[in-house]
Amino acid sequence: AQSVTQPDIHITVSEGASLELRCNYSYGATPYLFWYVQSPGQGLQLLLKYFSGDTLVQGIKGFEAEFKRSQSSFNLRKPSVHWSDAAEYFCAVGVRDGNNRKLIWGLGTSLAVNP
Amino acid sequence: DVKVTQSSRYLVKRTGEKVFLECVQDMDHENMFWYRQDPGLGLRLIYFSYDVKMKEKGDIPEGYSVSREKKERFSLILESASTNQTSMYLCASSPSTPIRQYGYTFGSGTRLTVV
Repeated sequence: AQSVTQPDIHITVSEGASLELRCNYSYGATPYLFWYVQSPGQGLQLLLKYFSGDTLVQGIKGFEAEFKRSQSSFNLRKPSVHWSDAAEYFCAVGVRDGNNRKLIWGLGTSLAVNP
Repeated sequence: DVKVTQSSRYLVKRTGEKVFLECVQDMDHENMFWYRQDPGLGLRLIYFSYDVKMKEKGDIPEGYSVSREKKERFSLILESASTNQTSMYLCASSPSTPIRQYGYTFGSGTRLTVV
């Protein structure tokens, strides 16, 4: 079955500390992988995506993610967190649905940042 | 700036009312989606549409219907609102070209409270 697992429901880090948010997926074919961020009271914004090629992808706001096929993972990282990074983060995998394509979502990880 | 616009940020409706949530996109996207978001349950797909006058049920269509008479507009209808439909509703759109289909643009959401 197609699924996305974000093992951490909630994470708290101190401002300036490094961050890693975990994402594992289950999909039989080549995955298209995404990270979205949702600031409080807002819709979701695309942070970065992986389609093919270099397994380390760069996104907006200083985020990066690494695709590891052997681990079925696509973890999101940032070397130094800012208070404005406090938000909900969603990992997603793009799957084929007949002739169409859709996203399968993880349940999200809520990030809090201590000053 | 391209965008997806949801007509209301906050709505309060009474049980049994017929409720319309409107979503308009200005990107000429073929695909449009309605999700509801609840704490601990992530994003759940209600309905989606890959073309004008087309609609497909998502994972939780019960109690909802949709209308897509024009390409840019996708309406979610709660035929008879109930308290368990109190939620955040998110609209998204994407183009139909392969791979780019996964690049969703989200609206800011409508927080609906049914009393």
